[in-house]
Amino acid sequence: KAGVTQTPRYLIKTRGQQVTLSCSPISGHRSVSWYQQTPGQGLQFLFEYFSETQRNKGNFPGRFSGRQFSNSRSEMNVSTLELGDSALYLCASSFGANYGYTFGSGTRLTVV
Amino acid sequence: AQSVAQPEDQVNVAEGNPLTVKCTYSVSGNPYLFWYVQYPNRGLQFLLKYITGDNLVKGSYGFEAEFNKSQTSFHLKKPSALVSDSALYFCAVARPPGDNYGQNFVFGPGTRLSVLP
Repeated sequence: KAGVTQTPRYLIKTRGQQVTLSCSPISGHRSVSWYQQTPGQGLQFLFEYFSETQRNKGNFPGRFSGRQFSNSRSEMNVSTLELGDSALYLCASSFGANYGYTFGSGTRLTVV
Repeated sequence: AQSVAQPEDQVNVAEGNPLTVKCTYSVSGNPYLFWYVQYPNRGLQFLLKYITGDNLVKGSYGFEAEFNKSQTSFHLKKPSALVSDSALYFCAVARPPGDNYGQNFVFGPGTRLSVLP
């Protein structure tokens, strides 16, 4: 079966722009979580969606937002990009946390 | 809220030797514990999980992990390391069922494993 698909794989944006990343979970998975990974900060939790509702949110500024659609696909948006937003953004889906998460390959965002 | 610690940033081991990557956790109730591996520029790949049952859990690529409730540890092990095992390893704990607050899945900071030929 298809895994978690993240698009695009690579992205280069300029400071001040906004960006939208997409995640298609494994079929049947209703829980989708997003993480930011940087060399200095490790894996930082952004948010979790379940059945189109944001269930949890990490400690990120309001420039970071997300949503989930009725087919469980999810998008995250970052507005007014800053250099520090350069990171690997990972999406993961699951039936539920105790089943573990399946991760996508990530979107590498570079802000210049 | 649950938390995970991986006390070693880096572990070096010679090829063919046994390896251990350490993880300790804190969670109320019974823990659901996981190990993931990440290769460069890739997402995390599931290795194994402990939900209940036998304290020794076997997973992918010859890895296993030992759950120790009294020491609140879940160390990852492999009897004979390969150069291809060199990667970043993450331990994680899931939010207990019925607990609707906090992150549903908490990762440790990661341990970089280098297997030297």
